[in-house]
Amino acid sequence: AQRVTQPEKLLSVFKGAPVELKCNYSYSGSPELFWYVQYSRQRLQLLLRHISRESIKGFTADLNKGETSFHLKKPFAQEEDSAMYYCAPGANYGGSQGNLIFGKGTKLSVKP
Amino acid sequence: ETGVTQTPRHLVMGMTNKKSLKCEQHLGHNAMYWYKQSAKKPLELMFVYNFKEQTENNSVPSRFSPECPNSSHLFLHLHTLQPEDSALYLCASSLRQDTYNEQFFGPGTRLTVL
Repeated sequence: AQRVTQPEKLLSVFKGAPVELKCNYSYSGSPELFWYVQYSRQRLQLLLRHISRESIKGFTADLNKGETSFHLKKPFAQEEDSAMYYCAPGANYGGSQGNLIFGKGTKLSVKP
Repeated sequence: ETGVTQTPRHLVMGMTNKKSLKCEQHLGHNAMYWYKQSAKKPLELMFVYNFKEQTENNSVPSRFSPECPNSSHLFLHLHTLQPEDSALYLCASSLRQDTYNEQFFGPGTRLTVL
């Protein structure tokens, strides 16, 4: 079965500090990988996807196939980054092709 | 409101009631999804419709019954629910059911089963 692990339930950092939210997946093949974010009182939304190789709001995510990881990083955290972050690989088997499998999420708290 | 809308936003029902959740999108998308978000559990996919055809039923109990009359509307019919069904139910849509397509989420319906 395909699984995704976000080992940290809560990550607390000070403003300006680097932040790394970990994500490990257990998949065969090469799934597409996403990070979704949910800010307070807002709906779940896409932050970034691996295929785009882009940086959104200063965040980047590097795929490490050897370690099957897709950690989310930002060099200098801001208070407005405080939110719930979900790693979501896309299923790549059979009829579930295209479905997202969400991790349990990591709550990022950036303190002033 | 643009994007994906869900009604009602909050629902309290007894175990013998029958109710329906509604999801609507005007994004021109062809795939729609129902998720369940419970405390302390990851977001769980329940059902997927792609071009109005149900393509996924993730072992969901029959007391939950989805309906997708067209690509813009998705319903979740509820009957004889249990207290453990209390959760936030999220609807999402994407251009099609495809690994590379972004899913757009609604605000959710907070369901409480008494």
